[in-house]
Amino acid sequence: EAGVAQSPRYKIIEKRQSVAFWCNPISGHATLYWYQQILGQGPKLLIQFQNNGVVDDSQLPKDRFSAERLKGVDSTLKIQPAKLEDSAVYLCASSIDQGAVSYNEQFFGPGTRLTVL
Amino acid sequence: ILNVEQSPQSLHVQEGDSTNFTCSFPSSNFYALHWYRWETAKSPEALFVMTLNGDEKKKGRISATLNTKEGYSYLYIKGSQPEDSATYLCASANDYKLSFGAGTTVTVRA
Repeated sequence: EAGVAQSPRYKIIEKRQSVAFWCNPISGHATLYWYQQILGQGPKLLIQFQNNGVVDDSQLPKDRFSAERLKGVDSTLKIQPAKLEDSAVYLCASSIDQGAVSYNEQFFGPGTRLTVL
Repeated sequence: ILNVEQSPQSLHVQEGDSTNFTCSFPSSNFYALHWYRWETAKSPEALFVMTLNGDEKKKGRISATLNTKEGYSYLYIKGSQPEDSATYLCASANDYKLSFGAGTTVTVRA
């Protein structure tokens, strides 16, 4: 079974520039998550999709971050404009269904390491 | 955002030695505790999901215990090998929301 794919793996941009990350979850997984992991901290949930609908985006900085899930499959996360504090690893994960947030495992991609200069 | 804490932040282990580390989490409205292993340049990999007080899970040389009443879980590595070097993340599911700790980074020295 193919895992969760993410691209790019690394990105370096200057502050105030825009950047986009792409995620392709495991086939058949209804739930998709985007996490931000800042160095020294645990992953923080930015947004959770159930199919193509948003379940939780309470921690997404909506003034600069946006995300969409195309046709309930692939997803993109965009930052516009980027700030220095956005430097982090952005992880995408998927799981079979929404109930999985408690009991079933999430499958993670390798992440995108973003550096904002 | 729940306060999930892991200690120590990092540890070094000699090959062949055993080690353990802790995850503490809120016990209120608790549903499940997840452990993940994250090797450098790879994807985080699920190790265990535990739900019941007293649960013990084992996978090879790695095992975990769960105490939901006092809100802690231990992860044990028996006979550490260099391939065990990774960051071990725990995540607590409370009120159907998953909160991660910052991880314990284990370095196994040959």
